[in-house]
Amino acid sequence: EAGVTQSPTHLIKTRGQQATLRCSPISGHTSVYWYQQALGLGLQFLLWYDEGEERNRGNFPPRFSGRQFPNYSSELNVNALELEDSALYLCASSLGGGRTDYGYTFGSGTRLTVV
Amino acid sequence: AQSVTQLGSHVSVSEGALVLLRCNYSSSVPPYLFWYVQYPNQGLQLLLKYTSAATLVKGINGFEAEFKKSETSFHLTKPSAHMSDAAEYFCAVSDRIGANSKLTFGKGITLSVRP
Repeated sequence: EAGVTQSPTHLIKTRGQQATLRCSPISGHTSVYWYQQALGLGLQFLLWYDEGEERNRGNFPPRFSGRQFPNYSSELNVNALELEDSALYLCASSLGGGRTDYGYTFGSGTRLTVV
Repeated sequence: AQSVTQLGSHVSVSEGALVLLRCNYSSSVPPYLFWYVQYPNQGLQLLLKYTSAATLVKGINGFEAEFKKSETSFHLTKPSAHMSDAAEYFCAVSDRIGANSKLTFGKGITLSVRP
């Protein structure tokens, strides 16, 4: 069974540009979560999508946005990139409806570097 | 709001020594608790989880954790460290209520294993 896949693995952008990160969940999972892992800050919750809808978002500015497609894959968009957006962006999937009893399954992440 | 505290950012042990990684949580309702491990340049892998009445939980790679409600703790232990255990470890908490539930992570602890 394929795990959670994220693309690209690495992404280098210039300040002010836009970045698009992609995630495909495990088959049967309808929820997708996005986390930002910046150096020394642990994992910060960004967004949760379930059944195509945004269900919850963390304390991030509106230039962080995304969507979930009918096949449950997801896209994270970061507009007007700033240097402090440089981080590892992790996608995770789980069973839908906000269930957390099985935990999440994580992808390997996209390393975004803003120069 | 739920939260997790992982005291210290780095633990160093000798190979064969006991591993003890501390985690304290805060939650307004009975929580689900998780430990994840992250190897360099990889995503997070679930080590173990507490979701039921069994307070001592065994996970992969010889790790176990004990849920202590009176101490609001969920410390991770392993009797004998291996070099391959060197990684970053994250504790996470989730409320059992589904609608807006999500995993909230601690800042992580880096485990080093000395030969």
